[in-house]
Amino acid sequence: SQQGEEDPQALSIQEGENATMNCSYKTSINNLQWYRQNSGRGLVHLILIRSNEREKHSGRLRVTLDTSKKSSSLLITASRAADTASYFCATDAGTGRRALTFGSGTRLQVQP
Amino acid sequence: DVKVTQSSRYLVKRTGEKVFLECVQDMDHENMFWYRQDPGLGLRLIYFSYDVKMKEKGDIPEGYSVSREKKERFSLILESASTNQTSMYLCASSFHSNQPQHFGDGTRLSIL
Repeated sequence: SQQGEEDPQALSIQEGENATMNCSYKTSINNLQWYRQNSGRGLVHLILIRSNEREKHSGRLRVTLDTSKKSSSLLITASRAADTASYFCATDAGTGRRALTFGSGTRLQVQP
Repeated sequence: DVKVTQSSRYLVKRTGEKVFLECVQDMDHENMFWYRQDPGLGLRLIYFSYDVKMKEKGDIPEGYSVSREKKERFSLILESASTNQTSMYLCASSFHSNQPQHFGDGTRLSIL
C-alpha cells in the first residue's frame, strides 16, 4: 500500500455516534496531518501531529499517533450530519521530499 | 483570510489542445502544489514549486509542465491534452513544505 493509507475506505454512522478513521504509513515521518474534503470542494486542514506527540485534541477531534506501529487515528466524537465528508491523512516523510504524501481517504457518511 | 483561487471550476477541452490551469494565492507562501484527484486514488502530486522559477516533479509529472513566474501564481500546463487527463485538479500552497496546505476549490477538467 502507499504511504498514508486510510482505513476504512467508507464509514456510515448515525448522528451522535463516534467515528474513527485510521491511517497507516511506511516510512518515518516528521509530522502527520489530517484534512477534510466536502463534496466538490478543496481540502481543509484539520490538525497536525508531530512525530514526538502521541495525542492531540481540537474541539470534537482527537488524533493519536503511534510511531512504533506507523499508524494514526482520527476520532470524531458526537458526530453531526455536517461532518459528512472525506477525510485524508498526509505525511511529511522528511527524507528530502519537499511535499506531503496523501492517502486515498475515508468517506464518512453521518445519517441524521 | 487565506485564499487560494483556481481560475475555473469546470473546463471542457478537446484532445490535443494545450490547456492552462491557473492558481493564485494571497498568503505570500513559498510553496505551491498541483494535484490530481481521481476516485479511489486519492490525491496524487503532479508538480510543486518551492520558489519563483523553481519546480520539482511530483509522482505523476508525465504529460504536464508548470510555470511559476511570480510568487503568487502557479500554472499547470497540459501540453497536448488526452482523455486520460480528465480529472479533478487541485492547487495548494503552504509557507513551509511540511506545514499545513491551503487548497483551492479545484478545477474539474474534462477532455473530450
